[in-house]
Formats: sequence, C-alpha cells, structure tokens
Amino acid sequence: GAVVSQHPSWVICKSGTSVKIECRSLDFQATTMFWYRQFPKQSLMLMATSNEGSKATYEQGVEKDKFLINHASLTLSTLTVTSAHPEDSSFYICSASRTPNTEAFFGQGTRLTVV
Amino acid sequence: QKEVEQDPGPLSVPEGAIVSLNCTYSNSAFQYFMWYRQYSRKGPELLMYTYSSGNKEDGRFTAQVDKSSKYISLFIRDSQPSDSATYLCAMIGIQGAQKLVFGQGTRLTINP
Repeated sequence: GAVVSQHPSWVICKSGTSVKIECRSLDFQATTMFWYRQFPKQSLMLMATSNEGSKATYEQGVEKDKFLINHASLTLSTLTVTSAHPEDSSFYICSASRTPNTEAFFGQGTRLTVV
Repeated sequence: QKEVEQDPGPLSVPEGAIVSLNCTYSNSAFQYFMWYRQYSRKGPELLMYTYSSGNKEDGRFTAQVDKSSKYISLFIRDSQPSDSATYLCAMIGIQGAQKLVFGQGTRLTINP
C-alpha cells in the first residue's frame, strides 16, 4: 500500500508560538505533497502544493510567511504555522503523490488548537 | 458553477441497502477520478481510483465513470454501519495544475 504518516495527530499551543507538522511518505517517494485545511463539516481546502526541492505554490489567500512549507526530501514535507493565533485552530491534512497528476494518499491529519 | 458538484446529503439508509453516491463535473480535462472515505477527525482514505469510462469493482465498492456525461458514481453494496462516513469524490487532469479538485463530500449514515 501507500502509507502517509502525519505527526503530531493533535497539538495545543499558545498564541504567538510556532508549530511544525510533519508529513512522511513511508513506503514510496512522493514528488508532490499537498497541504490542506479542513473546517468542521466542510471539504478540504488546499493551502499549497510542494514539489521536492522547490518552493511551494500557495493558493490564493494563503499567507506564505505564516504557513511555511518545506519539502526537503522525497519522503518528507513540513508545515510550520508561525506566530499562531486562535483563528489558526483547525484540522490540517497532508497528502502525497508518487508522480504529478495521479492519486494522492492522505495522512491522518493534525488537529491544531491555539489558546 | 463549481468545477465538481456533489450532493452533501446527509444520506441515511438501512443496513444492507445499496448506496449510490454521485458527482458531476464541468471540466473535460479531468482524466483521473477518485473516491475517498473520511471518518470524523481522520484523514481521507483512498477507496477507488479510475481512469477510463466504465466500471471498476473492488469488493463491495463499484466506481463508475461516464466521461461523456461528466458523471461519476460510487456504489456500495451490502452497506454496513462501519461504512458511515463522509465520502469525497476527487478528480485531476493529466496536464497542467497538479491539484486534486474535490466535491463537497456526502455524509452517509448506515442505520443498523
């Protein structure tokens, strides 16, 4: 199978601090990884697309300086929420694809609560 | 008009029933079609992945694609309470933007 591991599964942080979320493809190399945000009872909202070794492509309205994405290897991408505010509290999910424009496999998601 | 339309439900059926979930789309560039199942507070799980028009079966699940009508379906036979989840259709083109386009998701409840 294709397994994507996301860590941590939940995190609570104080306002103003930064939080890093990791996304790893465990049994395949992912040329492309995606980061989503999901609000309760809503579908996935794409935040950014990252390709290994290059800068992430952010969706309109997503602050690249606030949501830092690094895709340093074919098996690891990280999302860092900087200077977190309570409105950043949400469910963040990553996905990974072996090659562009093919099926994506999702991580378990990270529930972030900013207090 | 959204690129992908999916009835959000909620849909509630008795155990053992056949469930039909559907999505329509407007972009003829979409070539790959997927169905995901998402349990509450979990990441989506890939159920089916299809490319060509026609049917693809995997156990109790059958995915159907009709590119001429821009319509895809997921059928669940002998539905079980454990099938209760949100089902998301997703699609992507061969070239250009790499991102999946999702439907809104259908909340399904199978009643024992």
